[in-house]
Amino acid sequence: EAGVTQSPTHLIKTRGQQATLRCSPISGHTSVYWYQQALGLGLQFLLWYDEGEERNRGNFPPRFSGRQFPNYSSELNVNALELEDSALYLCASSLWVGTAGNTIYFGEGSWLTVV
Amino acid sequence: GDSVTQMEGPVTLSEEAFLTINCTYTATGYPSLFWYVQYPGEGLQLLLKATKADDKGSNKGFEATYRKETTSFHLEKGSVQVSDSAVYFCALSESGGSNYKLTFGKGTLLTVNP
Repeated sequence: EAGVTQSPTHLIKTRGQQATLRCSPISGHTSVYWYQQALGLGLQFLLWYDEGEERNRGNFPPRFSGRQFPNYSSELNVNALELEDSALYLCASSLWVGTAGNTIYFGEGSWLTVV
Repeated sequence: GDSVTQMEGPVTLSEEAFLTINCTYTATGYPSLFWYVQYPGEGLQLLLKATKADDKGSNKGFEATYRKETTSFHLEKGSVQVSDSAVYFCALSESGGSNYKLTFGKGTLLTVNP
């Protein structure tokens, strides 16, 4: 069974541009999460989508946005890119989280470099 | 809010040495606890988990026991291998709820030398 898949693997953008990252969850998973892993800052929660709705949002500015499509895939958009947005962006998915200890599975990540 | 504190790295061991990576947490409810591993250049992989007090998670020779009294979830392995070299993250999640997310520790880099 395919795991969480992300594209592109690497992306280089210029400051001020927009970046779009894409994620396909594990089949049957309805929840999708986005995390940012910037050098020296650890893993920071960005967004959680479930059934097409944004359920929770981390402490990031509004230029970080996303959406979830009817097939549960998701995209993350980062507008007005800044140098400090350079990071590994990890997508993850899970079944509905109503059950304690529901496991979140991560993809390989998309490396975003802003120059 | 919720938080996870891991021992500072990096940790460097020789092959077949015993490994302990300490993890303590702060949470308002009754969280589930996880260890994730990130090999060089890769995403996160779930290593093991425990969902209630006194549960022991285990996988690939790694173990961790959910200790509610000490709010800890220390990772142990009796004999490490070079292939265990990676970054290890301790994490927690509150059970269910409308604000579900994983809260991670800062990660511990483990290097195992032959």
